[in-house]
Amino acid sequence: NAGVTQTPKFRILKIGQSMTLQCTQDMNHNYMYWYRQDPGMGLKLIYYSVGAGITDKGEVPNGYNVSRSTTEDFPLRLELAAPSQTSVYFCASSPTIGTGELFFGEGSRLTVL
Amino acid sequence: DQQVKQNSPSLSVQEGRISILNCDYTNSMFDYFLWYKKYPAEGPTFLISISSIKDKNEDGRFTVFLNKSAKHLSLHIVPSQPGDSAVYFCAAAGNMLTFGGGTRLMVKP
Repeated sequence: NAGVTQTPKFRILKIGQSMTLQCTQDMNHNYMYWYRQDPGMGLKLIYYSVGAGITDKGEVPNGYNVSRSTTEDFPLRLELAAPSQTSVYFCASSPTIGTGELFFGEGSRLTVL
Repeated sequence: DQQVKQNSPSLSVQEGRISILNCDYTNSMFDYFLWYKKYPAEGPTFLISISSIKDKNEDGRFTVFLNKSAKHLSLHIVPSQPGDSAVYFCAAAGNMLTFGGGTRLMVKP
């Protein structure tokens, strides 16, 4: 079972470059999320989506954009990368919202130099 | 302002003993609490949860306790095993999930 798949697993960017982190889930979940994990800070919600065509900001959306054209895919776009965006990014999905049981991908480690 | 806090960044326990991981929260509107486990280079995986209407939930070696008046929850692992060595995140659900900073558990053989 694939579950939630993220690509790439690792990436090094130069300041000012742009890139897209890909996320795909095969569980037919309506709800999808992007989190970032910084050391000792837990996971912070960047953006989330409650279904195809519907997205909303989370706690730390600045510098990021998302789209949700299909149920399966939820890419995260970084425009004009900055060192502060160096982090590990996790995509997640869930069948419901509110009870909090999320299914996470393996993560994408991004370094901005 | 962290609404969910795990004040111990790390915990070391001997195999076979009890591990107790603690978590405090500030928002009384949270109505569901969860623990996630994370191994290196993997995503977090759901471990156990508890509704705010309960004070205890048990699943095998894992028990979560909720003290609403103190806004405190804890995860007990008995007996601890080396394979339990991981980072544990507590999380609280309101509209969205809010995560604590994590506690690294090391279980020594």
